Amino acid sequence: AQRVTQPEKLLSVFKGAPVELKCNYSYSGSPELFWYVQYSRQRLQLLLRHISRESIKGFTADLNKGETSFHLKKPFAQEEDSAMYYCALSARGGSNYKLTFGKGTLLTVNP
Amino acid sequence: NAGVTQTPKFQVLKTGQSMTLQCAQDMNHNSMYWYRQDPGMGLRLIYYSASEGTTDKGEVPNGYNVSRLNKREFSLRLESAAPSQTSVYFCASSEAEKGLVDSGEQFFGPGTRLTVL
Repeated sequence: AQRVTQPEKLLSVFKGAPVELKCNYSYSGSPELFWYVQYSRQRLQLLLRHISRESIKGFTADLNKGETSFHLKKPFAQEEDSAMYYCALSARGGSNYKLTFGKGTLLTVNP
Repeated sequence: NAGVTQTPKFQVLKTGQSMTLQCAQDMNHNSMYWYRQDPGMGLRLIYYSASEGTTDKGEVPNGYNVSRLNKREFSLRLESAAPSQTSVYFCASSEAEKGLVDSGEQFFGPGTRLTVL
């Protein structure tokens, strides 16, 4: 069975400071990892996925299979980054892609 | 394209009442999902439908039933609501189809906020 752990429920930083949201996973197969974001009063949406290796809104995340981690990073946080962030794992194979979500980290960027 | 739509947006029930949450998607996706979101618990999968005509239990299926009415619509039913079912419910869909490899991205609806008194 797969599991996703986000150790920080709350994370507070000041504008312009670096931010790192931690995500660790447990899965014996070949996982696909995602970060989803939920801004206040908006629906959950995909922020980035590890297979695309993109930088979205200044955020990056690298899959570290040795440490089974997929931490989300941004060098200079902005106030508009304040949101709930969920790390999610998709188990490849089978007839569908179920996502297993972490419990989320609420990021607050202070002015 | 409206994407994923859910009705109602808000609902208050008394313990023991029943209700159905509706979800529809216009992206021609094969797979659909129902989650509940609770503070400190993240999103937990209730039921999912890999393709039209199939449904399977997720992590927290007790107290719920689902119907995949057609490719577009996936409803969630609470037969006898309990206070523990007070939550925000999200429907999602994805392109995942048997035999095909895709990114696994899911598209979410706006949610239904349910309170059971």
